[in-house]
Formats: sequence, structure tokens, C-alpha cells
Amino acid sequence: DAGVIQSPRHEVTEMGQEVTLRCKPISGHDYLFWYRQTMMRGLELLIYFNNNVPIDDSGMPEDRFSAKMPNASFSTLKIQPSEPRDSAVYFCASSLSRSAYTYNEQFFGPGTRLTVL
Amino acid sequence: SQQGEEDPQALSIQEGENATMNCSYKTSINNLQWYRQNSGRGLVHLILIRSNEREKHSGRLRVTLDTSKKSSSLLITASRAADTASYFCATDAGPNFGNEKLTFGTGTRLTIIP
Repeated sequence: DAGVIQSPRHEVTEMGQEVTLRCKPISGHDYLFWYRQTMMRGLELLIYFNNNVPIDDSGMPEDRFSAKMPNASFSTLKIQPSEPRDSAVYFCASSLSRSAYTYNEQFFGPGTRLTVL
Repeated sequence: SQQGEEDPQALSIQEGENATMNCSYKTSINNLQWYRQNSGRGLVHLILIRSNEREKHSGRLRVTLDTSKKSSSLLITASRAADTASYFCATDAGPNFGNEKLTFGTGTRLTIIP
């Protein structure tokens, strides 16, 4: 299995531009999470999905951020318009539901380093 | 606010020594997990301990859990240069299935000096 795949790995854009980050979770996982990591704020959960349905988006900073999961193998996080304070590393992670046989360990992608000038 | 708080924030030790990191959390949990993050990489799951367990081992890792104190510790024995990384504890939302959100702590930055 290739693990969680994120693209692009690096993104440099100018303030005001639209940014789209992409994620492909591990096949068969039914949970998908988007995180943001900065030195100042640490690792923050932005939003997560279960079976493609958004469950909790309370971590999304503001209306400039939106996330979709059109199918089980693809999700996007969009920032429009982008601002310099959005500069961070954005991680996608996926996991299985807990059951009698599985635990909810999360598998992280390599991250997208976003720089907004 | 973060559920987990790691202590210390940073730790530097000589190669071969043992490293101990602590994590405190605030609410009841079903399990507690530890993750490692190498510089520039995503987090990687290391070990999970359930709320009814007190100690767990995996290779050079030893995790303890004290639910009465709402705290956990991660011990890495015989440290190696490759153990240099940040270590995070993560707690779930409690015993009910169907909510798989994890809350990550602030992390401990471990540096192993060769």
C-alpha cells in the first residue's frame, strides 16, 4: 500500500490566490482528517470526514477554508483567498473505525508545505 | 485547547541513554497513542495503550498509563541518533465508538547527541 498521498508537496503562492490541497487516503479507511501544523499553534485538527461526510469542521479557521470529499479515495482542502498567516504544513491522515479488532491509529501523509507571500 | 500536554518541551541526551517523556490529559479516554515525527515528515504511529492497561512494551519503547492521574509516559531505552524526532501523545474522545477524532499534545522535541 502506498500510504496516504498528498499533493503538492510544496506550494508557494501570492496573497489572494486560491490554493487547493489534495489527499488520497489509504484504501478501505473510512475516516479522513485534515490538520495544520505551525510552530506557534502546533498541530490543529481542521476538519474530519467519516464515509465521505464531514463530521466536525469546528477547527476550520474561517470561511476562506473549505474541504470536500467527493468519494472514498479523494479529498481536497481549499483556501480562497489565501493570506500569509495561512502559511503552514497541512497534513492529511486516514484511519479505520474502532472495532473489536481494530484501533483508531491514524496514518499521516507527508504533508503539503504552503507558503503564502 | 490541547487535550494532551507533553513534558518536557525539549530534551537532549547522549546516545545510549534512556529518554523519558510525559503526557498529561484532561478527560476520560479509551486509549492513548504515541506518535513520532521526523523533521519534515508526517507523524508515524508508535504504540497504543488502552485505558485498562498500565504498561506496554514494543521493542525499545515502554509506555505507562495512569488513568487516576490522567498521565502517560514514554520511555525510549538505549537511544540512538535515529530517535531524534518530535514525539506526540494523542487521546481519543472517550469510550464511545463512532467518534475517531484524536487530540494531539504539544510534543516533545528529542535530540540524541552522538
